[in-house]
Amino acid sequence: QVQLVQSGAEVKKPGASVKVSCKASGYTFTGYYMHWVRQAPGQGLEWMGRINPNSGGTNYAQKFQGRVTMTRDTSISTAYMELSRLRSDDTAVYYCARADIVVVPAAIEYYFDYWGQGTLVTVSS
Amino acid sequence: SYVLTQPPSVSVAPGQTARITCGGNNIGSKSVHWYQQKPGQAPVLVVYDDSDRPSGIPERFSGSNSGNTATLTISRVEAGDEADYYCQVWDSSSDHLVVFGGGTKLTVL
Repeated sequence: QVQLVQSGAEVKKPGASVKVSCKASGYTFTGYYMHWVRQAPGQGLEWMGRINPNSGGTNYAQKFQGRVTMTRDTSISTAYMELSRLRSDDTAVYYCARADIVVVPAAIEYYFDYWGQGTLVTVSS
Repeated sequence: SYVLTQPPSVSVAPGQTARITCGGNNIGSKSVHWYQQKPGQAPVLVVYDDSDRPSGIPERFSGSNSGNTATLTISRVEAGDEADYYCQVWDSSSDHLVVFGGGTKLTVL
């Protein structure tokens, strides 16, 4: 069965960096894009970006450009999300999510069929 | 970038039908997906591609999409359906590829 298991909670000071891992199992890791979504306390879901585990290619939301780096290690089926120059408003639960495809006329669209359990990142001085 | 609008809250009595809407410009031309999120848990996919259900999701959950509104319908609502629900689309026309609605809190009275 498909599983995405994330690393544990982190507490960081403003200005520091955090790196969250997401270990995949139960499917071919390189066959599906991996996305990262975050959720601030009491707020909705916010998309951060995605990585193609096969090529390593990435797309980031403009809001996080320059601060986020998504990488992967195919030998251990693990994706990583590193966020730098942390601020207090980066306090959130960070999720990885596997993207499956929907074929629509003249396009391919994506949705999230499996999610990690979430990693709480707290930024506080 | 593309915007999805959901009502902040919907309330329904047990056994009744809940309808949660997701508004967007010509959303009927897109594929809409719905997630359920209970407190302290990760989101769970309940409907994808407008109206398909993943395995393990009860038939009580259904979806539709036309014009400027997509709708998640939950029939015979149970106490365990109380959760936040989010709609999502793919927007390849901008760099913000994934768009979520703001979420709707479903309260079972």
